[in-house]
Amino acid sequence: DAKTTQPPSMDCAEGRAANLPCNHSTISGNEYVYWYRQIHSQGPQYIIHGLKNNETNEMASLIITEDRKSSTLILPHATLRDTAVYYCIVRVAAGGKLIFGQGTELSVKP
Amino acid sequence: ETGVTQSPTHLIKTRGQQVTLRCSSQSGHNTVSWYQQALGQGPQFIFQYYREEENGRGNFPPRFSGLQFPNYSSELNVNALELDDSALYLCASSSGTVPYGYTFGSGTRLTVV
Repeated sequence: DAKTTQPPSMDCAEGRAANLPCNHSTISGNEYVYWYRQIHSQGPQYIIHGLKNNETNEMASLIITEDRKSSTLILPHATLRDTAVYYCIVRVAAGGKLIFGQGTELSVKP
Repeated sequence: ETGVTQSPTHLIKTRGQQVTLRCSSQSGHNTVSWYQQALGQGPQFIFQYYREEENGRGNFPPRFSGLQFPNYSSELNVNALELDDSALYLCASSSGTVPYGYTFGSGTRLTVV
């Protein structure tokens, strides 16, 4: 079973920040938080990952709480092309499967 | 660098038949995983290969089998197809460098009738 809990759906206005929450209260010390997204009929796309520090790349920012029991993916200026299902996954770094939950379906609206 | 490519993109098979799906890993990647995604669900892990050896398997019956070749490309074989095998089959590769993410292909849409 997935070790994460996400809201099933969210809406965001185009140009605004999209903040996608994820709960992972049973995360272990050696597990990373990964985010992927899946645009309709395509394979999942890697977005970002982190262990305990906040991370930022060209796509998004990842904020992990100090106790590591939850995190938030931030898309700073959402566009219509960001409409997708976003998956939050926890896994050990050194290999192993990705366990996908149901994800959050983000709809970016004009 | 090239990404992960899967073939064919779409396939229709009859119940009871056998199917082989193919995956070319991203250049430099030595680990490949296969996932099954039913409509409206998240991908489910089938198995993973590292340097031609299976090193992890999900809750799928033995009629799901795979191979990884010396060039790290891979095949997924499914025997005795059932209607419930209809799904999007995704291949993902990684370099094995810790910590690493997976690069996914666009998948093969299999329909069993």
